[in-house]
Amino acid sequence: AQSVTQPDIHITVSEGASLELRCNYSYGATPYLFWYVQSPGQGLQLLLKYFSGDTLVQGIKGFEAEFKRSQSSFNLRKPSVHWSDAAEYFCAVGALGGGFKTIFGAGTRLFVKA
Amino acid sequence: AAGVIQSPRHLIKEKRETATLKCYPIPRHDTVYWYQQGPGQDPQFLISFYEKMQSDKGSIPDRFSAQQFSDYHSELNMSSLELGDSALYFCASSLAGPTGAISGNTIYFGEGSWLTVV
Repeated sequence: AQSVTQPDIHITVSEGASLELRCNYSYGATPYLFWYVQSPGQGLQLLLKYFSGDTLVQGIKGFEAEFKRSQSSFNLRKPSVHWSDAAEYFCAVGALGGGFKTIFGAGTRLFVKA
Repeated sequence: AAGVIQSPRHLIKEKRETATLKCYPIPRHDTVYWYQQGPGQDPQFLISFYEKMQSDKGSIPDRFSAQQFSDYHSELNMSSLELGDSALYFCASSLAGPTGAISGNTIYFGEGSWLTVV
């Protein structure tokens, strides 16, 4: 069965510091991988996605993620965090059943300190 | 650009009542997905529709039903509401169903409908 694991429930980084959020997935075939961000009381905004091709994916807001098949990982990175990046981040995998659905990880809450 | 529209944004119901949530996908999108996100939880897939037919089913309770109409909007009907149904309900839409999602068409999420059961 498909699953997504985000090992870190919450992470605190200083503003201007680099960020890496971890994501591991379990999927029987080539995965379709996503990172979403959710600010408090808000909906889900897609940061980036990986379907095929270049394993380093660039997204919005200066985020990037790297797909590593050997490690079943799709970690999200940002070189310099801004206070406005504080939010909940969800890693997700696109799964095929009778149709197509997105399975989310439990999320990582990012706190940014001044 | 038009986004996924959900209504109502907030809804308060009592136990055992019925609630209906509506979702209007992005124009030309033919696929709708419903997700439930409990407090502090990750979104859980409920059900999806492609061209007005159910395309996939997740952890949707039997008390819930949904459908997609000829204009592609979708409604999620929830009956015999329980306290545990209190959650944020997301609708999402995409183009060209499973094939489209596989080929890279982005799935867009609405801002969600907050349901509180008291």
